[in-house]
Amino acid sequence: EILMTQSPATLSVSPGESATLSCRASQTVKYNLAWYQQRPGQAPRLLIYGSSTRPTGIPARFSGSGSTTEFTLTISSLQSEDFAIYFCQQYYSWPYTFGQGTQLEIK
Amino acid sequence: EVQLVESGGGLIQPGGSLRLSCEVSGFTISEYSMNWVRQAPGKGPEWVSGLSSARNTIYYADSVRGRFTISRDDAKNSLYLQMNSLGDRDTAVYYCARSSGFRFLVDWGQGALVTVSS
Repeated sequence: EILMTQSPATLSVSPGESATLSCRASQTVKYNLAWYQQRPGQAPRLLIYGSSTRPTGIPARFSGSGSTTEFTLTISSLQSEDFAIYFCQQYYSWPYTFGQGTQLEIK
Repeated sequence: EVQLVESGGGLIQPGGSLRLSCEVSGFTISEYSMNWVRQAPGKGPEWVSGLSSARNTIYYADSVRGRFTISRDDAKNSLYLQMNSLGDRDTAVYYCARSSGFRFLVDWGQGALVTVSS
């Protein structure tokens, strides 16, 4: 099973600034990495797949990068609705696994 | 509009059984891979089970294999998860989700809470 490790666990950032979230895989997942956003009391929402592709409707301030074992989600010009929990997920090999999440909070 | 609505959650005693349902609208489930994902309180999600559109591929997490069964009723456009021999580690919110192939999860329901406790 591939272990996904996210850092930091909590990130405090002011609105309008940028945030950089990290995700590390215990072995290569190539580009098979997705990011999700989860607001309180809601289901996760797909933000990024294929490491860097945004689905239709996801704002351009969300960007993903990385490959093999190191991945980054960058959120620029943070807005109030962006403060949430973010999860990464690998889909290179079953069982597909998620990270434990990064809580993005208002500074 | 795509909607996935789970039902059937609740409080169940250890060793008991429960069947979750997911009623889908806005797309035909037989054309997509459908999945169940759970999330224990304060934890990251866990992909529990998946069923391919052709029904020829089924995935189970090791933690539920042999106890959970995923199924689909095309006439009702609904997905199901039969859960047997439930234990406290199965306590979680269970989400029904559509995936792109068996890769990432594109659409999610609002979740059904399953609490296993005596």
